Amino acid sequence: NAGVTQTPKFQVLKTGQSMTLQCAQDMNHEYMSWYRQDPGMGLRLIHYSVGAGITDQGEVPNGYNVSRSTTEDFPLRLLSAAPSQTSVYFCASSYSGTVYTEAFFGQGTRLTVV
Amino acid sequence: LAKTTQPISMDSYEGQEVNITCSHNNIATNDYITWYQQFPSQGPRFIIQGYKTKVTNEVASLFIPADRKSSTLSLPRVSLSDTAVYYCLVGEGEAAGNKLTFGGGTRVLVKP
Repeated sequence: NAGVTQTPKFQVLKTGQSMTLQCAQDMNHEYMSWYRQDPGMGLRLIHYSVGAGITDQGEVPNGYNVSRSTTEDFPLRLLSAAPSQTSVYFCASSYSGTVYTEAFFGQGTRLTVV
Repeated sequence: LAKTTQPISMDSYEGQEVNITCSHNNIATNDYITWYQQFPSQGPRFIIQGYKTKVTNEVASLFIPADRKSSTLSLPRVSLSDTAVYYCLVGEGEAAGNKLTFGGGTRVLVKP
């Protein structure tokens, strides 16, 4: 059981380039989310989805797009990379419709924008 | 979402019990209290969740007083591998799993 898989693990981009961070889960979770974590800080929510075809913005959505065409996949797109987007990105998934909501996180993608 | 306050860092020694207290004065009636652990270069990992009184699992215990304005995560007999950042989160159970709000966390260093 792979859980939540993120690719790539590391990426260097030039300012202005675009790219897609991939996230896939094999637990049939309805909920999926993207977070970024800057050095020495907690995670901040970028975008989230409560099911296929449904997405919404989190705390820091500017510069990022998401889509949810399947239950399993939730890619995060950087439209035009900026140095301020240098961060570690985590994808998470969780069940819906249950009181105890344990979120499962991927191993992260470390992104550097130069 | 309720704001949480927890110590920035704590030091301990192997075999000791570590207690981390989190304040959440404006916790709402529907809010649950959840703790996550994060090792360097890894994503956070769920430790424990509770609503009131005491919850215990194989990893930790969570103590919640009657007014629910604070909570204490207790890690029994810590080892070096318990060195990590611990986050206290407060939010509605179902919604909280999808839209987690992380503060700065408590950096726990376990010394030999």
